[in-house]
Amino acid sequence: DTGVSQDPRHKITKRGQNVTFRCDPISEHNRLYWYRQTLGQGPEFLTYFQNEAQLEKSRLLSDRFSAERPKGSFSTLEIQRTEQGDSAMYLCASSSRGQGWFPAFFGQGTRLTVV
Amino acid sequence: DQQVKQNSPSLSVQEGRISILNCDYTNSMFDYFLWYKKYPAEGPTFLISISSIKDKNEDGRFTVFLNKSAKHLSLHIVPSQPGDSAVYFCAASGAGANSKLTFGKGITLSVRP
Repeated sequence: DTGVSQDPRHKITKRGQNVTFRCDPISEHNRLYWYRQTLGQGPEFLTYFQNEAQLEKSRLLSDRFSAERPKGSFSTLEIQRTEQGDSAMYLCASSSRGQGWFPAFFGQGTRLTVV
Repeated sequence: DQQVKQNSPSLSVQEGRISILNCDYTNSMFDYFLWYKKYPAEGPTFLISISSIKDKNEDGRFTVFLNKSAKHLSLHIVPSQPGDSAVYFCAASGAGANSKLTFGKGITLSVRP
């Protein structure tokens, strides 16, 4: 098991373009979380899945953001019509009951820069 | 509003000495507290946690203390090693199956050889 994997590691996009990130959790981890981290801040919760069900979304997740986990394995996070304020590190984490469901394992993140 | 506060942005400690990282919280509904360590270009890594029913949890060189009345927790690292140099995040969660975490801004620890 290679841990939580995120792709791409870096993404530079022009304002107004759509971007999609992928997260592959640790296999058999039921829960998958998306967090966002901006410079000088701690990670902020965006959304999480229990298997394929999206159970909660933060108010930070505007209508331009959508996340999916179609088969309860990998997840995608799409941002439509990107804005400069979307520039951040997007982190994915997974967990299972063994960790008390807390996001114990984070991926390396996808750094998004909107120019 | 910052519900989890790490007021000191950085800490520098001599190798072999104790590192004490502090964290304050405002939400009395928080039930579970965690510390994460983050190296540059990597995601956060879980370090140690403590439930609100305890006041101390120890794991090797790492000990977390919780003072519920003061809404304060601290992470002690003894002895500190250069490899401990990283950003440390304090995080808190409410009770129940929703394990959504609220993070502090982090503290950068530098351990001098």
